[in-house]
Amino acid sequence: NAGVMQNPRHLVRRRGQEARLRCSPMKGHSHVYWYRQLPEEGLKFMVYLQKENIIDESGMPKERFSAEFPKEGPSILRIQQVVRGDSAAYFCASSQLLPMNTGELFFGEGSRLTVL
Amino acid sequence: AQTVTQSQPEMSVQEAETVTLSCTYDTSESNYYLFWYKQPPSRQMILVIRQEAYKQQNATENRFSVNFQKAAKSFSLKISDSQLGDTAMYFCAFMSDTGNQFYFGTGTSLTVIP
Repeated sequence: NAGVMQNPRHLVRRRGQEARLRCSPMKGHSHVYWYRQLPEEGLKFMVYLQKENIIDESGMPKERFSAEFPKEGPSILRIQQVVRGDSAAYFCASSQLLPMNTGELFFGEGSRLTVL
Repeated sequence: AQTVTQSQPEMSVQEAETVTLSCTYDTSESNYYLFWYKQPPSRQMILVIRQEAYKQQNATENRFSVNFQKAAKSFSLKISDSQLGDTAMYFCAFMSDTGNQFYFGTGTSLTVIP
């Protein structure tokens, strides 16, 4: 059973370009979370999605950031018109649906975005 | 809103010794889950240990154990017989039983010294 797969692992963009980060959850997992980790900081919640629904996007910046988790295919975190402050590691995690959820999040290896 | 606080940004411990990492949280929920996750230098987060709030018995996983004080909203992690492979960033996390939402602390960087 493959784990959470994120790609690309490393992405370099120039200011003003778009960044697309992909996350395929573990098989059987219907919940996806995106977190951002800035250097020397902890994980900051961005968005929580289920298939075709955004459940909680309270951690997402109001502009330039969007996320989706379509019926088919991976979850995508999209950052438009990137700025240097967007440089960070972006982690995706997945979990099962309650009550089967043991409470454990399974993390991908992260996507490191560098904005030049 | 739930908050998770880790007041120790960095800690170090001699190999084979015991170290305790602190975590406090704030919630108005009565039932919830608490976790410690480990992020080694390779950066993939892995679950270390989990505690369900309605269970009074402290969780234990081999060399890892917790001291869960529900009234004090404290959830510390004790690592016994520290090994070099324990060097990592450790994150305390909270999940409400009602919302399936996870909240993480800012992490404690632990270094095990040979």
